[in-house]
Formats: sequence, structure tokens, C-alpha cells
Amino acid sequence: QKEVEQDPGPLSVPEGAIVSLNCTYSNSAFQYFMWYRQYSRKGPELLMYTYSSGNKEDGRFTAQVDKSSKYISLFIRDSQPSDSATYLCAMSFLFSGGYNKLIFGAGTRLAVHP
Amino acid sequence: DGGITQSPKYLFRKEGQNVTLSCEQNLNHDAMYWYRQDPGQGLRLIYYSQIVNDFQKGDIAEGYSVSREKKESFPLTVTSAQKNPTAFYLCASSTTDRGYEQYFGPGTRLTVT
Repeated sequence: QKEVEQDPGPLSVPEGAIVSLNCTYSNSAFQYFMWYRQYSRKGPELLMYTYSSGNKEDGRFTAQVDKSSKYISLFIRDSQPSDSATYLCAMSFLFSGGYNKLIFGAGTRLAVHP
Repeated sequence: DGGITQSPKYLFRKEGQNVTLSCEQNLNHDAMYWYRQDPGQGLRLIYYSQIVNDFQKGDIAEGYSVSREKKESFPLTVTSAQKNPTAFYLCASSTTDRGYEQYFGPGTRLTVT
């Protein structure tokens, strides 16, 4: 079983829809939870991160962490064609030497059509 | 304009040749990382460095080597010992106290035939 599971999609939605992207994980030591957006043939861009359980909002994006269920979500409101990309979840825990090790999901491809 | 640069964007090599990928950052970050991305898989850590002249193996270091002689630079060499080198290589950096907040470069796509 992978430490982080993420449905690869693709997920296709009409413009204006609310998008829900999710990841599950198995390691209870994870402390920080990140969402990255990656356009085709580009490097990942950090969208937002959350520490421990709870919600965090940034514009049209809301990140949600439920540590009791080992489940994290990213919601995109009023989705736009420019949101079409692959979304990667990542989780970190403190490794030896004080290093934050990141474990990534495989990414979900999202297509928002006009 | 702060950021991470990787060069070249595309790289083609023949099997058996070593190749070095460049990564430079001007974010004043102490920590730098190399990841490999393959289709359908998450990013996998190759090497990381938290300070100049020190680096550690990640999960898939076999067939790779790195150096960290300057804070700004963290080149990755893909050696002929790497069995399946064709992939998208990503460099990232962070501060050491916020290692969960990693920023990525644009990547280098390496094709070995």
C-alpha cells in the first residue's frame, strides 16, 4: 500500500463547477499537508499548505485536512479553464536530522471545459 | 526576480553517457532537493542538501551523484549506472526551518536512447 493515494483522474468538469480533489494517507506522523498545481511540462507550483487538521482558504481554493480519517481535500470554487492542470498532494513529516521529508501523491489531472 | 532555474529544458543522450543537470536558485535557501517524476507516479526524492558541502541520499539515489559547492547551485549527474534514466527531473529549494514549503524549478526532461 502506498503511503499517499490519489485518484489519477482525469476529472472533467464544466466551467464554474466546484471541484473536489482528494488524497488519503496511511502515515499518522504526517504534520504538513500541501497542494501543488502542475501545468503540462512545467514544475509544480505550491498552492497552499495546512498544518494539522482544519480548513484553510485562499481565494477560490480551500484545503481541508481530516487527520482522524487520514483524508485531505482541495476544493476549487468557480473553476476556470486556466485551472486545467495536474494537482499533486504532498505530505511531510520530520525525518532524521530535522529534515522535512515530502511524500507526493501521483497527481489528479483536471480539465475544466468552457 | 527570485526563483529556481534548471537547464537545459530538454536533454538527449545516448545510453552509457553521463549527463549533468543544472539547478540554480537565488532565493537564499539553504536546502535544495532533486526529484524524479515518471508518468503515473508521485515525485520521488533522489538527493537533498541542507547546507553547503553536505548532501544526503534520498529514496532512489542509485545511479545518481550530486555536489553542493555553492549555496546557489546543486547540480545532478545521471551516470551510466542508472538503469532507467529517461524521466522528468525537478529541482526544489526551501529554507531549513520550513522544509515542507518547497519551491520547484521548471524541470529538465531527459531522454536516453
